[in-house]
Amino acid sequence: QKEVEQDPGPLSVPEGAIVSLNCTYSNSAFQYFMWYRQYSRKGPELLMYTYSSGNKEDGRFTAQVDKSSKYISLFIRDSQPSDSATYLCAMTLNAGGTSYGKLTFGQGTILTVHP
Amino acid sequence: DGGITQSPKYLFRKEGQNVTLSCEQNLNHDAMYWYRQDPGQGLRLIYYSQIVNDFQKGDIAEGYSVSREKKESFPLTVTSAQKNPTAFYLCASSIRGLATGELFFGEGSRLTVL
Repeated sequence: QKEVEQDPGPLSVPEGAIVSLNCTYSNSAFQYFMWYRQYSRKGPELLMYTYSSGNKEDGRFTAQVDKSSKYISLFIRDSQPSDSATYLCAMTLNAGGTSYGKLTFGQGTILTVHP
Repeated sequence: DGGITQSPKYLFRKEGQNVTLSCEQNLNHDAMYWYRQDPGQGLRLIYYSQIVNDFQKGDIAEGYSVSREKKESFPLTVTSAQKNPTAFYLCASSIRGLATGELFFGEGSRLTVL
């Protein structure tokens, strides 16, 4: 069983739809949670990060963490064609020590938003 | 502009040949990483380096080698021992001690072994 599971999709939605992307994880020691966005043939870029359980909002994006269920989500409101990309969840044990920077990634979800 | 430069972007090699992928950063970051990305498998860590002249194996280091002689450079060699080298390779860097653990990625190198 992989430490982090993410539905690879692909996911296709019309412009304006609300998109929900999800990851589950098995290691309860994960403390920091991130969402990266990767456009085709490019490197990933950090979209959002969260530490505690609950919601974090940034514009049209909301990251949600439920540590008790080992489940994280990314919601995109009013989706746009420019949101079409692969979305990768990532998590790490802590920000210090030997595990620093060693992120464990999900498989990525391919999202297409069509006009 | 600060960033990470990977070269070449596309590379074709014959089976059995060693290949070296270049990664240079001008962000003054201490830590650098190499990830491999395959369809449906996300990113998997090959090697990482926290400081110059030091590096550690990641989850899939077999068949790969690295060096870290300069802070700015972290080249990856894909050796003939790597059984399935065709993949998209991503180099990344980060600031040591940054709480978010944010990685800054290059644009990747796509290696195809014929």
